[in-house]
Amino acid sequence: DVVMTQSPLSLPVTLGQPASISCRSSQSLVYSDGNTYLNWFQQRPGQSPRRLIYKVSNRDSGVPDRFSGSGSGTDFTLKISRVEAEDVGVYYCMQGTYWPRYTFGQGTKLEIK
Amino acid sequence: EVQLVESGGGLVQPGGSLRLSCAASGFTFSNYWMSWVRQAPGKGLEWVANMKPDGNEKYYVDSVKGRFTISRDDAKNSLYLQMDSLRVEDTAVYYCARTTAFDYWGQGALVTVSS
Repeated sequence: DVVMTQSPLSLPVTLGQPASISCRSSQSLVYSDGNTYLNWFQQRPGQSPRRLIYKVSNRDSGVPDRFSGSGSGTDFTLKISRVEAEDVGVYYCMQGTYWPRYTFGQGTKLEIK
Repeated sequence: EVQLVESGGGLVQPGGSLRLSCAASGFTFSNYWMSWVRQAPGKGLEWVANMKPDGNEKYYVDSVKGRFTISRDDAKNSLYLQMDSLRVEDTAVYYCARTTAFDYWGQGALVTVSS
């Protein structure tokens, strides 16, 4: 099974400062069609998960442009250029390359310092 | 507007059964793979099961194989999860999600397995 490892697991950030979350997979996430199926989700306190980024770097509709995704192969990063109060929550990466079985990272809890 | 609404959660004793439902609207349900994802209290997300649109393919995480059954009724735009032989460790919020890279999620249904 593909294992997704996130770091850090806890991320205290000052408002207005940048934040970065790393996600590493135990196997390459490049699919046979050339795409890389790595997604990022945000889960605010008390809410359902919400997809932010799909296929490494594509922002979903309505996601602020301060969120960006990058990476390739086995190493991926979610960056927030300037953290706002509404960004508090837990962030998960998820691989879809090895569908129909999917795996999530452990989650990174972002809090305001 | 895409909506997914879970129901059927509750308290059940170990060894018992429960059936979750997910009512879908706002899209052509019969065209999409659908999944169940769970989240134990204070823990992360875990994919549980998914199902192909025609119902011919179903997949499960190892920990629920032989105990949980995913099904769907395209005429009713509904997804189901039959959970048998429930264990304490199955306690979680269960979400249904549209499996186009999990672009839409329901609000979740809490399942508590306890004596």
